Amino acid sequence: EAGVTQSPTHLIKTRGQQATLRCSPISGHTSVYWYQQALGLGLQFLLWYDEGEERNRGNFPPRFSGRQFPNYSSELNVNALELEDSALYLCASSVSGGFRNQPQHFGDGTRLSIL
Amino acid sequence: QQQVKQSPQSLIVQKGGISIINCAYENTAFDYFPWYQQFPGKGPALLIAIRPDVSEKKEGRFTISFNKSAKQFSLHIMDSQPGDSATYFCAASDGTGFQKLVFGTGTRLLVSP
Repeated sequence: EAGVTQSPTHLIKTRGQQATLRCSPISGHTSVYWYQQALGLGLQFLLWYDEGEERNRGNFPPRFSGRQFPNYSSELNVNALELEDSALYLCASSVSGGFRNQPQHFGDGTRLSIL
Repeated sequence: QQQVKQSPQSLIVQKGGISIINCAYENTAFDYFPWYQQFPGKGPALLIAIRPDVSEKKEGRFTISFNKSAKQFSLHIMDSQPGDSATYFCAASDGTGFQKLVFGTGTRLLVSP
């Protein structure tokens, strides 16, 4: 069974540009989560999508946005890139669990570097 | 109150020894506690998880011990092997249905041969 796949592996941008990161969940999973893993800050929750809807959002500015497509894949968009956005962006997926926490399985991430 | 405190930051254990990583939390609404293992250049991999209705869960060489009254949980790696050398993260999530994992700061484990 294929795991969570993310693309691209690496992305280099300059300040002020926009970045788009993509994620394909495990087959059968309808929930997609995005986390930021910045050096020294650990893993921080960004967004949760389930059945095409944004269900929860972490403490990040509105220039971090995303969407989930009908096939449950997802993309994360970061506008007006800043130097501190340099991080590993991780996508995870799970079955839809309603109000019960479901195991989240992670991809290997997209390394975003801002010059 | 949303924090999960993890210790130690780094740990060196001899091959065959027991590795112990501890986490503590404040939010009593947390009801799901997974542990993840991350190798360099890879995403975190789910190792084992526990819910507060049990005090211990074992899967192979990995055991979670959970103390609800102390609001603490720990990961024990028995018979530690060099291949276990990785960064380990504890995490917690509450039962409100918002599925947000709050992670500890990670423990870098090195198992010496």
